[in-house]
Amino acid sequence: AQSVTQLGSHVSVSEGALVLLRCNYSSSVPPYLFWYVQYPNQGLQLLLKYTSAATLVKGINGFEAEFKKSETSFHLTKPSAHMSDAAEYFCAVSAERGSARQLTFGSGTQLTVLP
Amino acid sequence: KAGVTQTPRYLIKTRGQQVTLSCSPISGHRSVSWYQQTPGQGLQFLFEYFSETQRNKGNFPGRFSGRQFSNSRSEMNVSTLELGDSALYLCASSLQAAAQNGYTFGSGTRLTVV
Repeated sequence: AQSVTQLGSHVSVSEGALVLLRCNYSSSVPPYLFWYVQYPNQGLQLLLKYTSAATLVKGINGFEAEFKKSETSFHLTKPSAHMSDAAEYFCAVSAERGSARQLTFGSGTQLTVLP
Repeated sequence: KAGVTQTPRYLIKTRGQQVTLSCSPISGHRSVSWYQQTPGQGLQFLFEYFSETQRNKGNFPGRFSGRQFSNSRSEMNVSTLELGDSALYLCASSLQAAAQNGYTFGSGTRLTVV
């Protein structure tokens, strides 16, 4: 079985400050990990993905995430927050085993960026 | 390149009715998955289709069904609607049915059951 825990359902940062969104996963097989962003009344947009090629993954809009197997974590960071980053962020895990190609999502973190 | 297209965007139905939602994947994508998003339960996997075959199904009652056509377009159907079926239904497509590819999501269909 696979699962994802996102610590902090709401995170507020000031514009220009570091963004850190936490994600811990559980998987019985080597996982694939994803971060998605959702803006109001929109679908999910892929920010970045980890597929075992490199532990530090760079994504769109200046976001990056580091896979740490020992900590079973895949935290999302951005050095300097922008007002346009305000959205809901979802961490997801997918473990390909047999026909289990579904994404399991965390409960999401709502990011607020303060002026 | 067109993205994943879901129709309709918004839908209001009455309890007991049935509804069909449509999803057109990105051209060339053969894998289509459906997810339900609600404030209480978050994002939950409904089912995944690849080359017209359902290969994986989430933990939803039999009222929820789907299919995929030869052109990879997919539909999902919910029969005997309940108030709790009100949700954003998201469709996602992928080039191949491989977990590491990630999925491209549509904008969703907002279903309201009254």
